[in-house]
Amino acid sequence: AQSVAQPEDQVNVAEGNPLTVKCTYSVSGNPYLFWYVQYPNRGLQFLLKYITGDNLVKGSYGFEAEFNKSQTSFHLKKPSALVSDSALYFCAVRDTGDTGKLIFGQGTTLQVKP
Amino acid sequence: EAGVTQFPSHSVIEKGQTVTLRCDPISGHDNLYWYRRVMGKEIKFLLHFVKESKQDESGMPNNRFLAERTGGTYSTLKVQPAELEDSGVYFCASSQDHGPGQFNSPLHFGNGTRLTVT
Repeated sequence: AQSVAQPEDQVNVAEGNPLTVKCTYSVSGNPYLFWYVQYPNRGLQFLLKYITGDNLVKGSYGFEAEFNKSQTSFHLKKPSALVSDSALYFCAVRDTGDTGKLIFGQGTTLQVKP
Repeated sequence: EAGVTQFPSHSVIEKGQTVTLRCDPISGHDNLYWYRRVMGKEIKFLLHFVKESKQDESGMPNNRFLAERTGGTYSTLKVQPAELEDSGVYFCASSQDHGPGQFNSPLHFGNGTRLTVT
């Protein structure tokens, strides 16, 4: 069965510092990986995806993610965090069966302090 | 284009009552998904429509939950009768993928319906 793990419930970063939100996955076959962000009282917003190609994927709001097949990881990164980046982040893998449903990690709360 | 819209944004009902949630996907998106997040836990898949057909309803918790998508446009999710453990945020999402092997588009999510059963 396919699964995603986000080992950290919360990540705290000072504004201006680089941030990393970790994600590891377990899939059969090639993974389709996604990152979503949820701001308070809002829905999930798509940040970026990895389907194939370059291991470093760039997305919205200056975020990027690095696909590492040997470590089965897809960590989300940003070189310089903003207070406005504080939100709940979800890593997900797309099911490769008939439905294409997303399978989510538990979510990681990012707190960026001024 | 208009995004995925969900109604109501909040619903507070008593145990044993019925609630119906509605989702309007992005126009032209054949795929419609329902998800639920119970307090502090991961987002769980409920079911998937392709147009008006249920492609996968393996995530539906029990027969108190009924989802429909008449005409392949908007969808409703009815909970009857509601129980305390049904409380959570229900998300709807849509995508324009076209079949297995082509699921590389992102899902577009609505803002969710926060359901509280007291």
